[in-house]
Amino acid sequence: EVQLLESGGGLEQPGGSLRLSCAASGFTFSNYAMSWLRQVPGKGLEWISVISDSGGYIKYADSVKGRFTISRDNSKNTLYLQMNSLRVDDTAVYYCAIDGSGWYAGYWGQGTLVTVSS
Amino acid sequence: DIVMTQTPLSSPVTLGQPASISCRSSQSLVHSDGNTYLGWLQQRPGQPPRLLIYKISNRFSGVPDRFGGSGAGTDFTLKISRVEAEDVGVYYCMQATQFPYTFGQGTKLEIK
Repeated sequence: EVQLLESGGGLEQPGGSLRLSCAASGFTFSNYAMSWLRQVPGKGLEWISVISDSGGYIKYADSVKGRFTISRDNSKNTLYLQMNSLRVDDTAVYYCAIDGSGWYAGYWGQGTLVTVSS
Repeated sequence: DIVMTQTPLSSPVTLGQPASISCRSSQSLVHSDGNTYLGWLQQRPGQPPRLLIYKISNRFSGVPDRFGGSGAGTDFTLKISRVEAEDVGVYYCMQATQFPYTFGQGTKLEIK
C-alpha cells in the first residue's frame, strides 16, 4: 500500500524557517517524481514544487521561488521542503504527492499544517 | 500561468442521478508530446485530495467506473453517471501540461 507521511509543520514567526519531510513507503520511491502542494484551510489547491526521480530536475511556483528548496534522499525514501523567509500567506496545509508516468498528484499524504504568525 | 475555470461552483444533486462539472483552460492543454495532461481530483470533507482521472479520460487506480472524463483542447468535463452519498465533496480540475501546474477553483458537490 502506498503511504506518504508528512511531518515538520507547526507554528513559525514571519521570516522564520521550517523543514518539512515526507516519508514514503509501499512503492519504489526512487522511480517517481514527487511534488509538494498546499491548501489554505477551506480554500483551493496550489502546486508549489516538483523534483524528478533522481533529483536532477526541479521546478518551483513563483510564489515560493528563492525561498523554498525541494530535495529528496532516495536512500531514506524521504522528500523534503526547506522553507525559509516564511510569510503569513504561506500558512496552509502542505501535502506531498507522487507524479507518475502520464499522471500527476496520483497519491497524497494526509498533510502537515504550517502556520506563520507573530 | 494557465487559468483553469470550473462551472458550476456548487452542484446539488439527487442520489442516483448524474452530475457533470465543466472545466475550461485559458490555453490549450495539448503538450508538445501530444498528450493532454488534464486531471480531476476529488476531496472529501476532512480528507486529502484523491486523483480520479488523468489525461482527460483515464480512471486512476481504484476509481469506480461511474466517474468519466471527456474533452479536448481547452474544454473538459467530469461526469458521474449515478451519484452516491460517498461522492460528496469538492472536485478540482488540474493541468500538468505546463509549469506551474494549476487548479480550478473547485466545485462543491452536495446531495439535495
